Amino acid sequence: GENVEQHPSTLSVQEGDSAVIKCTYSDSASNYFPWYKQELGKGPQLIIDIRSNVGEKKDQRIAVTLNKTAKHFSLHITETQPEDSAVYFCAASPLYNTDKLIFGTGTRLQVFP
Amino acid sequence: GAGVSQSPRYKVAKRGQDVALRCDPISGHVSLFWYQQALGQGPEFLTYFQNEAQLDKSGLPSDRFFAERPEGSVSTLKIQRTQQEDSAVYLCASTRGTGSGDQYFGPGTRLLVL
Repeated sequence: GENVEQHPSTLSVQEGDSAVIKCTYSDSASNYFPWYKQELGKGPQLIIDIRSNVGEKKDQRIAVTLNKTAKHFSLHITETQPEDSAVYFCAASPLYNTDKLIFGTGTRLQVFP
Repeated sequence: GAGVSQSPRYKVAKRGQDVALRCDPISGHVSLFWYQQALGQGPEFLTYFQNEAQLDKSGLPSDRFFAERPEGSVSTLKIQRTQQEDSAVYLCASTRGTGSGDQYFGPGTRLLVL
């Protein structure tokens, strides 16, 4: 089955700097890669996603890149703000085969003012 | 509805008790998922419904876990004879339908088994 690895497990940055989180996946059938932000005591919140027919997607300060050949994808957050502090999870899914998400182990991002 | 809701938000059970966790998906969402999230870990898939049909239950850890969605909307996850290792946050998510991708999560139910 699918296995998703995520790193780093913790990331500390100064406000205004960029943050990058990387994930790798094992199943070449995976074709959908969402990123979730989870704040303490809350459920994961979808922040951006990408499908395998696209190499990059941007939404304001957030971007995701996908390298299908190498089976890895990354989340980029620019101009970080203290409210970006949270745990971020990547996930992978072979949509239409099974829609279940396989999650990475999470990255705790701390943005210091 | 405005989002996925779950109840109760917190549940404390004595070992051996049965518990029932409820999920109200976003109105009109066809697909519903249950995940289990242990402390400091990512969510792990438990089971998946499309309307009232349970299409995948491969993630249920044992036959003590049972899920249903009889009318294709509200879902209940039942855990019988709870064990300490069942302590976790149980998350529910819904999507518009097969292949739509974007799963919207509820706040979760935090279960503590003593």
